[in-house]
Amino acid sequence: SQQGEEDPQALSIQEGENATMNCSYKTSINNLQWYRQNSGRGLVHLILIRSNEREKHSGRLRVTLDTSKKSSSLLITASRAADTASYFCATGLNTGFQKLVFGTGTRLLVSP
Amino acid sequence: DVKVTQSSRYLVKRTGEKVFLECVQDMDHENMFWYRQDPGLGLRLIYFSYDVKMKEKGDIPEGYSVSREKKERFSLILESASTNQTSMYLCASSRQGAIRNTIYFGEGSWLTVV
Repeated sequence: SQQGEEDPQALSIQEGENATMNCSYKTSINNLQWYRQNSGRGLVHLILIRSNEREKHSGRLRVTLDTSKKSSSLLITASRAADTASYFCATGLNTGFQKLVFGTGTRLLVSP
Repeated sequence: DVKVTQSSRYLVKRTGEKVFLECVQDMDHENMFWYRQDPGLGLRLIYFSYDVKMKEKGDIPEGYSVSREKKERFSLILESASTNQTSMYLCASSRQGAIRNTIYFGEGSWLTVV
C-alpha cells in the first residue's frame, strides 16, 4: 500500500485564497518532500523537510511536519491560477538508500 | 539546470511487442529511476540504478527490465508489452549519497498498448 496518502484528493479554490493539502504516512521517515505536477508533465520538486524539522517556508509555500502523528501539510498562500496542478508528498525512508515513496496526490484547481 | 530527457513522449505499441523507453540525464547523477504513474495509484517505482550496470528492483518490477550501460542513460524495457502496461512512465535522477537529495524528473512517456 502507499506510504503517503494525500487529503483531500481534489481541492477547488479561488485566486487569492489559501490552499492546504495534507499527507499522512505509515512508517518512520528520514525526510518528506513535496512535488508538483502540471497536467501531463513530469514532477517538480518544491520543498523538503527533514524528520527533525517541524516547519519550513519557501516563498508562498509553508510545510509542516508532525512525526508523532505521521503527517505533513502543505500550505500555499495567496494562490494563483498558475498554481493549478497536482501535488504529491513523497517520504524518504530510512533504508540506507535514497528511495522515495509517493502518495496519490491532491489535484488543486485555482479559478481566476 | 538539471535536465532529464525521455526520448519519446507518446508511443502506441501492440501487445507482445518489445518496447524500449530511453532516458538521458545531463547532470552526472549516479542514481536513476523509472516510475509508472496511474490514476488513483500515484507513482510506483519499477526499477532504480545507483551506478553503471547496477540495478535494483522497485515495487513493481514484473514485466519490466532495465539497462544502464552508461552513467547518463537508463533504459526501461518491456519484453512483451501487455495492455495493463498502458501508463505514463517517468524517469528520474538524483545525486548519490544523502537520502535528502532532490529527485529530478523527465517529462514523462505516455505508452498505450493496444
